[in-house]
Amino acid sequence: AQSVTQLDSQVPVFEEAPVELRCNYSSSVSVYLFWYVQYPNQGLQLLLKYLSGSTLVKGINGFEAEFNKSQTSFHLRKPSVHISDTAEYFCAVSESGTYKYIFGTGTRLKVLA
Amino acid sequence: GAVVSQHPSWVICKSGTSVKIECRSLDFQATTMFWYRQFPKQSLMLMATSNEGSKATYEQGVEKDKFLINHASLTLSTLTVTSAHPEDSSFYICSARDRRIGYEQYFGPGTRLTVT
Repeated sequence: AQSVTQLDSQVPVFEEAPVELRCNYSSSVSVYLFWYVQYPNQGLQLLLKYLSGSTLVKGINGFEAEFNKSQTSFHLRKPSVHISDTAEYFCAVSESGTYKYIFGTGTRLKVLA
Repeated sequence: GAVVSQHPSWVICKSGTSVKIECRSLDFQATTMFWYRQFPKQSLMLMATSNEGSKATYEQGVEKDKFLINHASLTLSTLTVTSAHPEDSSFYICSARDRRIGYEQYFGPGTRLTVT
C-alpha cells in the first residue's frame, strides 16, 4: 500500500545554515512527488514537484529536492535558510493512474536567529 | 492562475446544527475536487473525492451521511457538516485538479470550523 514517511517531526536549524527535510515513500507503481509548505492557519503552497525527467527539481524560495527511485526518497533541501522559512512542510505522493494524494505527517522547520 | 477559494474562512456553530463550506476554482475548471481534514499539528487526511456531476467517493471511515459533498459545477464543490458535534471541530481544506494539467492539485486556504 502507498505510504509516505517523514521521519523528522521537528527540525531546528540556525539562520543561514543548510537544511534537509527527509521524505520516503512506498509504492509499487510510478509516482508523482510534491513538497508543500503550510504557514499557521493557512492552506498549502506548492514548493516543488517531480512528475518526470530530471531527478533534481528546483522550486520556489530557493528549495530543491532530489528524486531517488532506488531509495524511494524525495528529500527537500535548502542551502541557507531564513527566519521566514519557519513553517510546516509536507511531502505528498500520488500514484500514477490515480489523482489522490497521500501526505506525510509533516516536518516542522524552526529557524533560529 | 490556479486559484482556489474557500468560504467561509472560519465558522463557529452550535452543536447539532449544520454548516456548509464552499470551495471554488476561480480561474480554471476543476473536474475533480478533494476535501481534506486537518487536526491541530497533524497532517491532512483525505475525506473524499468529488467529481463534477457524480457522487463523491468517501475514504474509509468517513461518514458520508455526516459529511455531505456536492460538486454541482466545474468550479464549485460544497461540504456540509450535518448535525455538527464538538469532535467535528477541525481545519477543512479543499483542493481542485485542473483537468487540462493532470496530476497537480491546487489547495484552498482552508476553513476553520469550531463547534460549541
